[in-house]
Amino acid sequence: DVKVTQSSRYLVKRTGEKVFLECVQDMDHENMFWYRQDPGLGLRLIYFSYDVKMKEKGDIPEGYSVSREKKERFSLILESASTNQTSMYLCASDAGFFNEQFFGPGTRLTVL
Amino acid sequence: AQSVAQPEDQVNVAEGNPLTVKCTYSVSGNPYLFWYVQYPNRGLQFLLKYITGDNLVKGSYGFEAEFNKSQTSFHLKKPSALVSDSALYFCAVRDYSGGGADGLTFGKGTHLIIQP
Repeated sequence: DVKVTQSSRYLVKRTGEKVFLECVQDMDHENMFWYRQDPGLGLRLIYFSYDVKMKEKGDIPEGYSVSREKKERFSLILESASTNQTSMYLCASDAGFFNEQFFGPGTRLTVL
Repeated sequence: AQSVAQPEDQVNVAEGNPLTVKCTYSVSGNPYLFWYVQYPNRGLQFLLKYITGDNLVKGSYGFEAEFNKSQTSFHLKKPSALVSDSALYFCAVRDYSGGGADGLTFGKGTHLIIQP
């Protein structure tokens, strides 16, 4: 059974903290993605990666960075968390442009 | 730039009736369209996609969608709704402009509520 896993389901952090969200896929996919989901806004793309050590900005990259040191792992980093980054964060991967994305269960991050 | 519109925040259907969840899109190149479903406290699950070929696409759980290029629409349909179909549905598009691994652009989602 193919899987995308995320390190935490729920996370509570303080304003100004550095936050790491981890994502691992076991499907040997080249492409990995980070989205955030907010009510009434749908999902918005933060960053994506099409290869190890490669990254591209999505639609809302401000305040975030990413790291992909290994093919199976894609990390999202909030350098200095702010309350407007309270959201559900979803990781996804796919095998190519015409293929469906597989999503992790999500991390609900609250920044106080 | 690409965009997706889901004009209804919520759709209510009686169990056993047909259902339609609407989606329209805007792209500069060829559209590649997807539907996903999200059950409470779960990640998104893939339902179906249109890449090329037949305009009527069949997917998981008895769902289908019709690609209409002239109306730039990709509505999700099911002939007979089940209570278990109640969930949040997202339409998404990828605009193939020559390469890369661009992410999906999602609509805002439609809550589908099936009443017993």
